[in-house]
Amino acid sequence: DAGVIQSPRHEVTEMGQEVTLRCKPISGHDYLFWYRQTMMRGLELLIYFNNNVPIDDSGMPEDRFSAKMPNASFSTLKIQPSEPRDSAVYFCASRPGQLSYTFGSGTRLTVV
Amino acid sequence: AQSVTQLGSHVSVSEGALVLLRCNYSSSVPPYLFWYVQYPNQGLQLLLKYTSAATLVKGINGFEAEFKKSETSFHLTKPSAHMSDAAEYFCAVSGGATNKLIFGTGTLLAVQP
Repeated sequence: DAGVIQSPRHEVTEMGQEVTLRCKPISGHDYLFWYRQTMMRGLELLIYFNNNVPIDDSGMPEDRFSAKMPNASFSTLKIQPSEPRDSAVYFCASRPGQLSYTFGSGTRLTVV
Repeated sequence: AQSVTQLGSHVSVSEGALVLLRCNYSSSVPPYLFWYVQYPNQGLQLLLKYTSAATLVKGINGFEAEFKKSETSFHLTKPSAHMSDAAEYFCAVSGGATNKLIFGTGTLLAVQP
């Protein structure tokens, strides 16, 4: 089991550019979560999916953010256009039914 | 709505001393409670979880936590701190109809030699 795989590990981009973060959940896990971690706001839940369907996106900060899960083994979080305040570490997590959340290693995004 | 409050954003202990990290929760339904650890520049690793079975939960690396409903607490303890325990620790709650895992603000543990 390779765990939850996120790519890239680090991303530096210029303000206004589109950024796409990727996540491969653990096989068989039917829930997928996207979190953002910043010094100011801590760990915030952005959106989560169940069986590839978005269930709650109330944490998505703005329309610039969008997330998709086209199949059970892949999800993306896109920011377009990016802004410096989007700089953060973005984590993906997956779990089977209840409990047992497993987190990826995160993507550190820097927008300059 | 569910939430957790971690008292003390920074805790410093001496190597070999007791570690006590405090977490209080708020939940309108029976909660599931978790402690995660995050080492610098790494992801979140599960230390232990409470799932309405035994109130005293043992986790990895010698940590344990006790669920106290009357105090709405789930404090994390370790009898003897090790230098390798220096990290940030997060308490989290989940449960009920919501599938969300809600995190506290974290406690940064420093271990002094």
